[in-house]
Amino acid sequence: QVQLVQSGPEVKKPGASVKVSCKASGYTFSSYGISWVRQVPGQGLEWMGWISAYNGNADYAQSLQGRVTMTTDTSTNMAFMELRSLRSDDTAVYYCARDRYPRSQTVLGFDYWGQGTLVNVSS
Amino acid sequence: QSALTQPASVSGSPGQSITISCTGTSTDVGSYNFVSWHQQHPGKAPKLVIFEVNKRPSGVSNRFSGSKSGNTASLTISGLQAEDEADYFCSSFAHIGAPVVFGGGTKLTVL
Repeated sequence: QVQLVQSGPEVKKPGASVKVSCKASGYTFSSYGISWVRQVPGQGLEWMGWISAYNGNADYAQSLQGRVTMTTDTSTNMAFMELRSLRSDDTAVYYCARDRYPRSQTVLGFDYWGQGTLVNVSS
Repeated sequence: QSALTQPASVSGSPGQSITISCTGTSTDVGSYNFVSWHQQHPGKAPKLVIFEVNKRPSGVSNRFSGSKSGNTASLTISGLQAEDEADYFCSSFAHIGAPVVFGGGTKLTVL
């Protein structure tokens, strides 16, 4: 069955970087895109960006442009999200989510999610 | 503030039906049938229960149904069960700004 397993919780200081991983199994990794979505405690969900494991194309939320990079490694079926210049308002649970449709050129919806990774940014 | 508007909470007794609304605009819910609903139990990964407005993934109970009218999508859960108690959030494809927008989530309490 499809599974997305994320790396463990992180504690970072303001200005640092964090890299969260998402290991996929149970499907052909290179056929689907992966989005990263975050949820600040007590608030709604925010789409951060998307990367196609099919062709490497990426699309980032305008609010995070320049601070976020998403990558994939098809040899290990893993996706990564790196966020730089962390601020206190980056404290959130970060999720990876698989595209609902294979070889999609944009994000039309998600069907499987990782368990979430808490990133706590505090001095 | 979330792009899609959901009620913060709804409740119902076992066996009853409840409906959760998700209101967007003509740039998202109103123009596309890529509306999804996800169920999330505390501390767990979200689970897809409805996609493309009214389609159920394999394995999801037929007690879950979806619909859309204009800029508002709805999730109905019939024959409420204790295990349905969870947070539910909607999402939609959008053609302005981010390609996907979310609702703020609705906490369902089974009384």
